[in-house]
Amino acid sequence: GEEVAQTPKHLVRGEGQKAKLYCAPIKGHSYVFWYQQVLKNEFKFLISFQNENVFDETGMPKERFSAKCLPNSPCSLEIQATKLEDSAVYFCASSQLGGVRGSYEQYFGPGTRLTVT
Amino acid sequence: RKEVEQDPGPFNVPEGATVAFNCTYSNSASQSFFWYRQDCRKEPKLLMSVYSSGNEDGRFTAQLNRASQYISLLIRDSKLSDSATYLCVVTFYSGNTPLVFGKGTRLSVIA
Repeated sequence: GEEVAQTPKHLVRGEGQKAKLYCAPIKGHSYVFWYQQVLKNEFKFLISFQNENVFDETGMPKERFSAKCLPNSPCSLEIQATKLEDSAVYFCASSQLGGVRGSYEQYFGPGTRLTVT
Repeated sequence: RKEVEQDPGPFNVPEGATVAFNCTYSNSASQSFFWYRQDCRKEPKLLMSVYSSGNEDGRFTAQLNRASQYISLLIRDSKLSDSATYLCVVTFYSGNTPLVFGKGTRLSVIA
C-alpha cells in the first residue's frame, strides 16, 4: 500500500507472556526497520531487513526478541516472556532501495503501543 | 556526549512568528540528515531531508553545516498546526542504515 501498516494498535500483556507485532511496508520498499520508543522520546533501533534478509541486527536484544520478514507476509517482531521494561511504542519504518539525492528516507507506520503489566 | 543533541524546549511562540531550532551531532562521518515532526502519541512524519546546499519547502528552511556538525530548521509564519515535537535525525553510514534520533524540540504555537 501507500503507507506503512502496523497491527495491532494496542497490545496489553502480563509479564512473561508473548507479544507479536506486525508490519507491512510501503509497496515497493525493500527495507524494513523496527524502532522502540520509550519515555521522553528515546528512540532505539532494533533490527532492519532487506526484503527477507536480516540487514542489521545490532540493536536487537538477543535473548527474548526475534523478528522475521517472509515473502508475501507482513513482517513480525516477537517478544517472548515480556518484561515491564518492554512497555513502549514499537514503530516500523520502510525505505526504498535507492536514495533520493543520496538521502535514504524512512517512512513510519502508526506504531504498536505495548503495555506490559 | 549524546550523539544528536537538541534543545528540548518548549518553545512557545505566537501565530505568525518565526522560530528556529538547532541540532548538533557528534559523528563527523554522519551521512544523511532529516527533520521529522511527531505529534503526541503518533508516528514521526518526515518533514524534510537536509542537504549540504540547504533546502526550503514552503515556510520551512533547513540548513546543514558539516564543519560545525550543526543542522537547523527555520519555520516562518508559524501556524497553530505547527505545534508538535521536531526531531533532528541523522544516519552514521550511507545507504539504508538506522536513524539516530535527537530527543526532540517541543513547539507550541499560541493563538
